[in-house]
Amino acid sequence: NAGVTQTPKFRILKIGQSMTLQCAQDMNHNYMYWYRQDPGMGLKLIYYSVGAGITDKGEVPNGYNVSRSTTEDFPLRLELAAPSQTSVYFCASRGRRVRDTEAFFGQGTRLTVV
Amino acid sequence: GNSVTQMEGPVTLSEEAFLTINCTYTATGYPSLFWYVQYPGEGLQLLLKATKADDKGSNKGFEATYRKETTSFHLEKGSVQVSDSAVYFCALSALDTGRRALTFGSGTRLQVQP
Repeated sequence: NAGVTQTPKFRILKIGQSMTLQCAQDMNHNYMYWYRQDPGMGLKLIYYSVGAGITDKGEVPNGYNVSRSTTEDFPLRLELAAPSQTSVYFCASRGRRVRDTEAFFGQGTRLTVV
Repeated sequence: GNSVTQMEGPVTLSEEAFLTINCTYTATGYPSLFWYVQYPGEGLQLLLKATKADDKGSNKGFEATYRKETTSFHLEKGSVQVSDSAVYFCALSALDTGRRALTFGSGTRLQVQP
């Protein structure tokens, strides 16, 4: 049971570099999400997707991009990394039925921008 | 918009003490309510949930009751253990938004001392 898998677990970037955080789920979930968690704060929604080919902005989308070419994968792209993007990033997914209230989370990616 | 407010931490208790972590919410419609737990270095795991008013969610000795009249979902446990040390997040999900994303509180760190 893999669930939601995120890679890498840790990464250090220099200011201005770019990278892609990978997220894959094997539960055939329609909904997928990217959150960031800053110290002492709750999770903030960056982007979300309600199905393959459909993505939309969350609360804090600036500096990020996403794509959803398949049901399984939902990569998050950081262009021109900035220190303000130092955070822990979580990917999550959930099913599309009304009773699918639970979201399943990956283990997180700890990103430091220096 | 939707929001969740939970008590600030850290909360430090001795083993076998009684735990309460307060959570109140603001939401349009009729949200589902959740408590997630994050152990050190790990992702978020669902602890318990309630999907309608007066429902009680329970798991691993933790309980929370969905109180619509007070818009609250306080987490309780009668006797905490050292292994309960973690960060606890209250969250809601509202069906009236297409994204069905979770809105999180800021988290409460619980430290249980032997």
